[in-house]
Amino acid sequence: GAVVSQHPSWVICKSGTSVKIECRSLDFQATTMFWYRQFPKQSLMLMATSNEGSKATYEQGVEKDKFLINHASLTLSTLTVTSAHPEDSSFYICSAAPQGPGTEAFFGQGTRLTVV
Amino acid sequence: GEDVEQSLFLSVREGDSSVINCTYTDSSSTYLYWYKQEPGAGLQLLTYIFSNMDMKQDQRLTVLLNKKDKHLSLRIADTQTGDSAIYFCVRGFYFGSGTKLNVKP
Repeated sequence: GAVVSQHPSWVICKSGTSVKIECRSLDFQATTMFWYRQFPKQSLMLMATSNEGSKATYEQGVEKDKFLINHASLTLSTLTVTSAHPEDSSFYICSAAPQGPGTEAFFGQGTRLTVV
Repeated sequence: GEDVEQSLFLSVREGDSSVINCTYTDSSSTYLYWYKQEPGAGLQLLTYIFSNMDMKQDQRLTVLLNKKDKHLSLRIADTQTGDSAIYFCVRGFYFGSGTKLNVKP
């Protein structure tokens, strides 16, 4: 199947700093990528839909100025957590659907963010 | 948005069948998925079904889709201890709460 790679796998940062997480589709082009957040023992919450060459579409309640998404190419989307605080500590996962929205999606391995 | 609901827990004995249920509200998505997540691990796609299908079988897994009732189920035959995990029902790109399956020896 298609491979989606996330980097880094884990990151620890100081409160107030910004952290960038990369999501790459290794063997296919992804017009659309998705960013999720997972709290401990909870489900995945869709944060935003990242569209190549245009602005991301954020789900209700997700701060777009806090979670900056850039989809600069067909194989790379980045999520930047700006001015991170301890409550931003979470597991962030991206996914991409090679055939477009509504088709099979492939997930990255996730990034564990800890803000201290 | 999308509401995808699942029961939170299921406990079965090894060798029995497990049935995990899911209900959803939005009918627009064409794919429904079942993902498995083991403790501390990422997501593993188990199986998926097209919205124009009623049933799909893949080895020990059987997926049933009732479009009228907007109900999806995953049946695991001959459940093993290695099947203990959280199972997520996914409609389009929205995840259910996950069902924690506990398999007792």
